[in-house]
Amino acid sequence: QAGLTQPPSVSKGLRQTATLTCTGNSDNVGGQGAAWLQQRQGHPPKLLSYRNNNRPSGISDRFSASRSGNTASLTITGLQPEDEADYYCSAWDGGLSGWVFGGGTHLTVL
Amino acid sequence: QVQLVESGGGVVQSGRSLRLSCAASGFNFRTYVMHWVRQAPGKGLEWVGFIWSDGTNAFYADSVEGRFTISKDNSKNTLYLQMNSLRAEDTAVYYCAREPEGGHNDMDVWGQGTTVTVSS
Repeated sequence: QAGLTQPPSVSKGLRQTATLTCTGNSDNVGGQGAAWLQQRQGHPPKLLSYRNNNRPSGISDRFSASRSGNTASLTITGLQPEDEADYYCSAWDGGLSGWVFGGGTHLTVL
Repeated sequence: QVQLVESGGGVVQSGRSLRLSCAASGFNFRTYVMHWVRQAPGKGLEWVGFIWSDGTNAFYADSVEGRFTISKDNSKNTLYLQMNSLRAEDTAVYYCAREPEGGHNDMDVWGQGTTVTVSS
């Protein structure tokens, strides 16, 4: 299964804003959007944003998602040390009839 | 509270079989599609497959099609992953995750994972 494309790493300073991207095609991201997951070291993934860009209950409003065409974005404002983690996007791929993930972006908070 | 707990991982020789379980609690298991997702050491997430909420149909990634079988016992609130003909590249942490039925939903709760190591 072909995956979604994410930059391997992003570094930003404390209290700055980071924007992570996830690029797919019309069968996946461009079709139904992408969900975003956070995975801290040694922990399972946690859903941050649904494919419709809404946040699950309990997720900080510092996290916001959007989509333009075949590219989804996750913006994290007011970066905190605990935001340092791996971030994955995921989407249903109608062409493959399966789910695909991005390779993940490691966010470093300086 | 909502919880998914995987078990059954371990070290197994290449070519052998292993069955993983995922025990669900705190929600109506019958109304959820269930997924298996794996993560090889130091790598990203890879979708393995999912099963319909009623357990009647399952769908798989190409990498495991024909070797892995997902089943769901709604009477026991338990999801299973039967893994046959294991290969070294199947070494990973295996997570189960739930998705509300109805389509256009997402994997909103994940278990802690269970580790499978395939030795040659």
